[in-house]
Amino acid sequence: QVQLQESGPGLVKPSQTLSLTCTVSGGSISSGGYYWSWIRQHPGKGLEWIGYIYYSGSTYYNPSLKSRVTISVDTSKNQFSLKLSSVTAADTAVYYCARDDYGGNCDYWGQGTLVTVSS
Amino acid sequence: QSALTQPASVSGSPGQSITISCTGTSSDVGSYNLVSWYQQHPGKAPKLMIYEVSKRPSGVSNRFSGSKSGNTASLTISGLQAEDEADYYCCSYAGSSTPYYVFGTGTKVTVL
Repeated sequence: QVQLQESGPGLVKPSQTLSLTCTVSGGSISSGGYYWSWIRQHPGKGLEWIGYIYYSGSTYYNPSLKSRVTISVDTSKNQFSLKLSSVTAADTAVYYCARDDYGGNCDYWGQGTLVTVSS
Repeated sequence: QSALTQPASVSGSPGQSITISCTGTSSDVGSYNLVSWYQQHPGKAPKLMIYEVSKRPSGVSNRFSGSKSGNTASLTISGLQAEDEADYYCCSYAGSSTPYYVFGTGTKVTVL
């Protein structure tokens, strides 16, 4: 059974960089066949696709966030990470990591982690 | 790229069938058979219910079915049960040259 777990600071100051890591267990990122995604949900709102990465390092981002987002992968640790720069209060959200078999089919999700942007 | 449009709420009595629509454009829903549906209970992560318009992942009840016509996709829940009360989101591939996905606005399903 594949499991994903997000980790990182729950509070980030405005203008700083939000950094989260997703640790995957029960399956290897480097085995291929899947994309590893970040998706967020603003409080009481809908879902927003941030981007995803393949084990090879190929990345694809939401055009509206592309200038501020970096997703990276560390296959040795079976982890992938999200960095979102120059954050504002509008970036306050629950951030989820998920496994995508390409096509937006996210079959495994982390539990989500709330990140609040506030001074 | 705007979010796909879903009704804010849909309700039905136990045993009834309900349908949730998801309207996009010719750049997303209308162009690709890559529409998925997610169920989300309060405080929980979304769960994949339908993928590639009408396919069900293993373990998902056959009471859930999906379809698409033109720029609109639909999720039908038949034999509505109390446990089906949740938020539902559609998702569509929207990229042309590079992958990109857009979610729907979300629909709250209430079992009366």
